[in-house]
Amino acid sequence: DIVMTQSPDSLAVSLGERATIKCTSSQSVLFTANNKNYLAWYQQKPGQPPKLLIYWASNRESGVPDRFSGSGSGTDFTLTISSLQAEDVAVYSCQQYYTTPITFGQGTRLEVK
Amino acid sequence: QVQLVQSGAEVRKPGSSVKVSCKASGGTFTSYTFSWVRQAPGQGLEWMGGVIPMFGTPHYAQKFQGRVTFTADESTSTAYMELSGLKSEDTAVYFCTRSPVYAPPRYFFYMDVWGKGTVVTVS
Repeated sequence: DIVMTQSPDSLAVSLGERATIKCTSSQSVLFTANNKNYLAWYQQKPGQPPKLLIYWASNRESGVPDRFSGSGSGTDFTLTISSLQAEDVAVYSCQQYYTTPITFGQGTRLEVK
Repeated sequence: QVQLVQSGAEVRKPGSSVKVSCKASGGTFTSYTFSWVRQAPGQGLEWMGGVIPMFGTPHYAQKFQGRVTFTADESTSTAYMELSGLKSEDTAVYFCTRSPVYAPPRYFFYMDVWGKGTVVTVS
């Protein structure tokens, strides 16, 4: 199974500042035949299901604010929130869909400093 | 509006079974795959497997093989998850999710729509 590891486990950022969350996979999730990274990011608020933010590592889902961006390739990925808003307080998780079983990172809890 | 509506909370005794339903609305049912993801209290997300309605075939994560059954009813656009041999460790929120289908051989991708979740308590 591909192991997804996120860092840090928790993060406190001031409103308006940049938040950066990293995700590392135990093996590459880049499919060279189509040059796509099989990596997604989700946001989960308390009592709610996860919400898709980013897919193919850097494609923003429709309706997601452009302050959210994803980058990286192969085994190392980053989710960046360019200017933290109060409503961004949540747990963020990465997911690989390169192979089954699909696996998720352990989650990063983002709070306001 | 695209949504997945799941059945309500369940309480079961150890050793029994539970069946959760997930009715899809909006979009063509067979144009997607449906996965089940569970989340134990205070824990992360765990993929259990899913079903490919266009073929009617299930795919199970090895951890749950033999204990879980996924089915799909195209006539009602409903996916089902049945988990047997319940243990206290199965207490969790069970989410139904939808993934778009791209070219085979992969059928499970990112999950663009999630149900609200069904709380299953084993006690």
